[in-house]
Amino acid sequence: GAGVSQSPSNKVTEKGKDVELRCDPISGHTALYWYRQRLGQGLEFLIYFQGNSAPDKSGLPSDRFSAERTGESVSTLTIQRTQQEDSAVYLCASSLGRVGYEQYFGPGTRLTVT
Amino acid sequence: GENVEQHPSTLSVQEGDSAVIKCTYSDSASNYFPWYKQELGKRPQLIIDIRSNVGEKKDQRIAVTLNKTAKHFSLHITETQPEDSAVYFCAATRFGELTFGSGTQLTVLP
Repeated sequence: GAGVSQSPSNKVTEKGKDVELRCDPISGHTALYWYRQRLGQGLEFLIYFQGNSAPDKSGLPSDRFSAERTGESVSTLTIQRTQQEDSAVYLCASSLGRVGYEQYFGPGTRLTVT
Repeated sequence: GENVEQHPSTLSVQEGDSAVIKCTYSDSASNYFPWYKQELGKRPQLIIDIRSNVGEKKDQRIAVTLNKTAKHFSLHITETQPEDSAVYFCAATRFGELTFGSGTQLTVLP
């Protein structure tokens, strides 16, 4: 079956512009996660959705970051007024449930802020 | 919050030898510990996981051990092959969102 997909695969933007990143989870997966991976580093948790509610936004690095999810389907991560330190790969993952279920990762969106 | 430390950051082994990667975690309530393999430019993929009510789990050449008292868990790869070369990440969670270690670059030398 289809895995997690993300778009765009690459995004280059100028400092100060807003960007929107999209994630399509595996059908039927109620849990959706966003992570950020800076070059050569581990993954940092950003936000978690259960259905279309986000009970845990604790990882969002600043109020320039926001996310939403439509039902149990597509999610978008928006970064406003991008800064160079936002450059990273943004990975989305989905799973059947919250704890103890395998998280399936998408291919990521590589964001470069110039 | 949870903090996960991973060692070593790089590891080179001869093909056929074993490789061991170790992680420690800080939150004693963490109950799920997955290991992911990430090849260059690709997405992380789960290779094995363990829950807090289990001390050891094995899947062919890969095994994971968990010591809840000491709050550490380890990945063991036996009979390493060149295709095992990748970055390996450990992670821990209590509620679902994963806290990752910083990764281990494993290189299997032919």
